[in-house]
This record gives sequence, C-alpha cells and structure tokens, in this order.
Amino acid sequence: QQQVKQSPQSLIVQKGGISIINCAYENTAFDYFPWYQQFPGKGPALLIAIRPDVSEKKEGRFTISFNKSAKQFSLHIMDSQPGDSATYFCAASSIQGAQKLVFGQGTRLTINP
Amino acid sequence: KAGVTQTPRYLIKTRGQQVTLSCSPISGHRSVSWYQQTPGQGLQFLFEYFSETQRNKGNFPGRFSGRQFSNSRSEMNVSTLELGDSALYLCASSFLAGVAGELFFGEGSRLTVL
Repeated sequence: QQQVKQSPQSLIVQKGGISIINCAYENTAFDYFPWYQQFPGKGPALLIAIRPDVSEKKEGRFTISFNKSAKQFSLHIMDSQPGDSATYFCAASSIQGAQKLVFGQGTRLTINP
Repeated sequence: KAGVTQTPRYLIKTRGQQVTLSCSPISGHRSVSWYQQTPGQGLQFLFEYFSETQRNKGNFPGRFSGRQFSNSRSEMNVSTLELGDSALYLCASSFLAGVAGELFFGEGSRLTVL
C-alpha cells in the first residue's frame, strides 16, 4: 500500500513534443505529490508538486494532472527540449510522514534534437 | 546560499566493515532525511531527523543508524557492510519537519562494497 507505481521506465521524445509520465498510488493517506528531476551525478531536485485539493497545476512547460478518484497523477512536459533529458521521479507523502517520500521507480527521459 | 553538502562523495569498503557518511544541511534547515538509491530498488527512505531526534524510520535493518547534532549536521552509519549496501546515499534537508514541502538533496555519497 506504500508503493507508488511509475510508467514508463524509459521514454524517448522528439524535440518540441510532449512528454507524459504516469504514476499511481494506493495509500489514500498520501496528500502531497511532488515530481523530482535528477541529472547524472546530481541529487534529485524538485520540479513541481501538487496537493489533492486541485486537479491540475502548471509551472511553465511542466504540468501535473491529478485524478484523486483514480489515485493517479501525471507529469506533462510541453515543448520538450534536449535539456529536459533526465530521470524523473514521482513521489508521495502523507502529513504524518511529510519528509518520508515514497518514490516511484523513475523514468529515464531522452529528448532527441 | 550553499546547498546540502555530503562527504565523502565516493568510498570503497569491504564486506564486514562499517562506514560513516556525513551531511551538512542548508543553513537554517533543521530537518535532515536520508535516502538510499539503487538501480533495483530506486529511492528508498532511510530515516529523518529533526532537532536531534529521529522522527521517522524506513524499513531498513538495524545495521543502518543515524544521528543529528545540535548544529543540524547529520551522520549515518552502516555497520557490518554487505554487498547489497552498495548504493548512492542521499541526504536531503528542509526547513521544517512535519510539513510537506521541498526537500533539497545533496549530490550523494556513492558507496561501493567489495
């Protein structure tokens, strides 16, 4: 019940295209859903996050869509650029364990120029 | 503002040895969390410290331990190392504990166990 399932494992998108990564969770106590971006040799860095009281959050080219009833959320990267090539992790946490993030397995995104 | 600093960045140990990893959080941050990252298991939560107290613990054996000092710096220790402990150990800091928000990760300490 603590798992967060992420798909796909890897994704190749052409420059200018839309990258979509999906995540699903079981634990209804989760109430914070961040996405982290990790480049090789670096630690993960927060990209965007959402709470279940909204269905969508947009920051620049990055959008989180959240479906509370389906217990699913997704990351959309519009106008994908080669610099977006990285590994993306979805995560979830509950108020009781706010700093205890449960991460998805990660998606290695490659943007072809 | 300096980021999260982890030392050492790389280390090699042999089975049965122990290792201590260090983390200096962002100035002013009082919560420090540790994560293990491996290709097979991904990112897994180890433990979280706030004001020198362990607030949360992940599902790792007792060989994994940690502590936090009064200046918020943290250390984690792994005793009786096993091959499966080879991983990137990431430290993350945040200003508050108990409130979901951005975790700032360091670049990690890469441990290889031979």
